[in-house]
Parts: sequence; C-alpha cells; structure tokens
Amino acid sequence: GAVVSQHPSRVICKSGTSVKIECRSLDFQATTMFWYRQFPKQSLMLMATSNEGSKATYEQGVEKDKFLINHASLTLSTLTVTSAHPEDSSFYICSARERQGVYGYTFGSGTRLTVV
Amino acid sequence: GEDVEQSLFLSVREGDSSVINCTYTDSSSTYLYWYKQEPGAGLQLLTYIFSNMDMKQDQRLTVLLNKKDKHLSLRIADTQTGDSAIYFCAESINNDMRFGAGTRLTVKP
Repeated sequence: GAVVSQHPSRVICKSGTSVKIECRSLDFQATTMFWYRQFPKQSLMLMATSNEGSKATYEQGVEKDKFLINHASLTLSTLTVTSAHPEDSSFYICSARERQGVYGYTFGSGTRLTVV
Repeated sequence: GEDVEQSLFLSVREGDSSVINCTYTDSSSTYLYWYKQEPGAGLQLLTYIFSNMDMKQDQRLTVLLNKKDKHLSLRIADTQTGDSAIYFCAESINNDMRFGAGTRLTVKP
C-alpha cells in the first residue's frame, strides 16, 4: 500500500532557529500533500495544502512566512518552521492522497518538535 | 461547533467489545473514515465506508453508518491491549477532510 515517510521523528531546537521537516511519498506520486498540527489531546488542525509546482494554500490563521512549505517534486514536500518559538512546539503530521476518492489520506509518522 | 464530534474517552476490559461513536454534520460527505493513532505516531487508516453503505465489516472491525442521523460507529470485537490508541473519525467532502477530536481507547487487562 501507499507509504508516506516523514523525517525527522523528533527534533529539539533552540528558540530563533529554523527546522525543516520532510514528507516523502515512497511508492506513489502525490501532487497534493497536507500538513497538520496536533496539540496535546486535540485533533488534527490542517495548516496548509502543499501543491506540487505551485504555492501552498494556507488555512486561516496560519502564518505562511513562519511555516514555509515547498513541494518541489511529486514525492517530496517540506515544512520549515522559521524562527521557532516555544509555542511552536507541537506534533506535526503530513499526509498525501494517492488518488481521488476511496483511499483517503496516507499519513506520515509525525514529527515531535520541541523548541527550547 | 465541531463538524465532527466524538466522545473523548472510552475504557473497556480486554476481550470485551468497544464501540466508538461519531456524529458529523455534512450530509454531502462521500466517504467516512476511521483512523488509529498510537502514541507518538502518525495516523493509520483502519477502515472506510462509502456514504451509500450501512455497514462494513473487516475482521474484528464493524462500521455502522446511519446517514439519516449522521451517525458513524466503529465496533472492535474482542478488544486487545494493542488496540489502546486514539481513534479519529473523519469525513471527506470533495477534497477536504474533517476530523473529529479523537477518542482515546484504554483497554484494561
């Protein structure tokens, strides 16, 4: 089945630095990938939709200059958290849809970001 | 309010059946999904049901859909300790996907 690889699984960074998270579709092409954020004991919050070869579409309230998304190929999307602050500490998950309709989304394993 | 609602916690004994309930509000949902999230991991698709179906069974999992009441349930038969996780229901509308807050299932030995 479809597999989405997300890396790194855990990262600790200092305030003010930037962190890049990668999301790869391993055995299928994903023209669209999605980035979610999950706060403790809460559901997933869609941050942005990443479109291959074009600009990402951000949800209301998500700062696009802070959360930079690049989808340069059909199998790779990256999320860069710029000038990270402790309040950016969270669990970030990407997903990709293999094809329209039935199969829904395939999720990466998530990245636990801790900003100290 | 939330488009997709679930109770937050469920606790069962090993061997019992678990039933996780979900309500949604958009009748144009085409597919409804159940995902499982183990601690520190991403979401794993468990099963899905097309909106014109009433029931789907897959081994220990049974999904029931009441489209009139916009109610979706997931029944896990013979619940095991390895089933302890957070279960999210989700509805798919066009290219959007909306998740419930997740139900944390705890299985006691």
